[in-house]
Amino acid sequence: GAVVSQHPSRVICKSGTSVKIECRSLDFQATTMFWYRQFPKQSLMLMATSNEGSKATYEQGVEKDKFLINHASLTLSTLTVTSAHPEDSSFYICSATSPGLAGGPADTQYFGPGTRLTVL
Amino acid sequence: GENVEQHPSTLSVQEGDSAVIKCTYSDSASNYFPWYKQELGKRPQLIIDIRSNVGEKKDQRIAVTLNKTAKHFSLHITETQPEDSAVYFCAASINDMRFGAGTRLTVKP
Repeated sequence: GAVVSQHPSRVICKSGTSVKIECRSLDFQATTMFWYRQFPKQSLMLMATSNEGSKATYEQGVEKDKFLINHASLTLSTLTVTSAHPEDSSFYICSATSPGLAGGPADTQYFGPGTRLTVL
Repeated sequence: GENVEQHPSTLSVQEGDSAVIKCTYSDSASNYFPWYKQELGKRPQLIIDIRSNVGEKKDQRIAVTLNKTAKHFSLHITETQPEDSAVYFCAASINDMRFGAGTRLTVKP
């Protein structure tokens, strides 16, 4: 149990286009989802925390109009990179958590496999 | 792809004792190994990391060791304190990050 999926796993797009990334909790309801970004050979950077039914909380320095996050249901959160540019090329990874999931600690995060975005 | 296993899933120690968390990885090309700490209701925080050209790194009470031949790395916390109680994640990375499942550490006063 506690499986988180992301789609797509890889995407290549032209500069100026928008890209949507989906994060789904497959077998549990995720009250909170996190979006991370990872630059090559660096640790991941938390971009935003998303709670179902409410606006995402963005980390300092992350443009909320650039990275639109929607957490419309307890099993789905989406990240849309708007008007993508080459500097947005990165690895985006989500994680999900839910209190008391599968009898485990309430704050355990379950991570998706990630999405590699390449903007040409 | 890379697969990271982390053990134990839970760990309880007395204050002042040491705690050790171990991780193994599958892809010998992985070259970056961070450890994250997450306290209840808070975001994960990077606490220490090590790269494949280093065998050990220490930062005050926290140390990480890396055995590239055996493809495993460990987190060592000495003189544990109640505030060390949290969930700890290891990860392995080449370009993309793969995380362990996490270890819940409880430090009893």
